Amino acid sequence: AQSVTQPDIHITVSEGASLELRCNYSYGATPYLFWYVQSPGQGLQLLLKYFSGDTLVQGIKGFEAEFKRSQSSFNLRKPSVHWSDAAEYFCAVGALWDGGSQGNLIFGKGTKLSVKP
Amino acid sequence: ETGVTQTPRHLVMGMTNKKSLKCEQHLGHNAMYWYKQSAKKPLELMFVYNFKEQTENNSVPSRFSPECPNSSHLFLHLHTLQPEDSALYLCASSQETSGRASEQYFGPGTRLTVT
Repeated sequence: AQSVTQPDIHITVSEGASLELRCNYSYGATPYLFWYVQSPGQGLQLLLKYFSGDTLVQGIKGFEAEFKRSQSSFNLRKPSVHWSDAAEYFCAVGALWDGGSQGNLIFGKGTKLSVKP
Repeated sequence: ETGVTQTPRHLVMGMTNKKSLKCEQHLGHNAMYWYKQSAKKPLELMFVYNFKEQTENNSVPSRFSPECPNSSHLFLHLHTLQPEDSALYLCASSQETSGRASEQYFGPGTRLTVT
C-alpha cells in the first residue's frame, strides 16, 4: 500500500539556519512526489513537485527537495530559514490510478516548523 | 478571481441546521476534491469528482452530501452535523490526464464550527 511518513511532528530552527524536513514514502513504482506548505487557517500551497528527471527539484520560496530512490526519501531543504517560513509542511505521493478509482494524493501527517528569532 | 475559491471562510452552525459550502476553481481543471482537516488528524480525503462524476467516497457519513454541477463548481451540503465534524474543510482541483495523480491546487478552506 502507498504511504507517506514524516517522522518529525515539530521542528524548531533559528532564523538564518538551514532546514531539512524528512519524508519517506512507500510506493511500488516511480512515484510522483510533492511538498506543500500550510500557514495557520489557510489552504495548502504547492512548494515543488517531482515527476521524473533530475532528482534535485527547485521550488518556490527558496526551497528544494531531493528524490533518493534507494532511501525512498524526498526531503525538503532550505539553506537559510526566514521567520515567514514558520508553517506546517506536508509531503505527498501521487497514487497510481488503477482503473477502478481516481489517482489521488496520499499525504503525510505534516511537520510543524517554528522559527526562533 | 484566480485559483480556487471557497465560501464562506467561516461557518458556525447548530446540529439541526442545513448549510452548504461552495468551491469554485478558475484553473480549467477536470477533477475536484473535498478534504477534512481536523486538529489532531491528517488530511482526510472525503470526495473526488473527475469529469463531474463522483469516483470516490471514502466512507463519509451521509450527513455530508457533495454536488458537482459542472467541472468548475463543487458544493458540500451539510445537515444534522455532530460537534466532531468541526474542522477545516478544504477544496482542491487538479488536471488528471495520465492515470496518475498530478498536483492539486487548494482553496483557503472553510472553518466549520458545529455547536
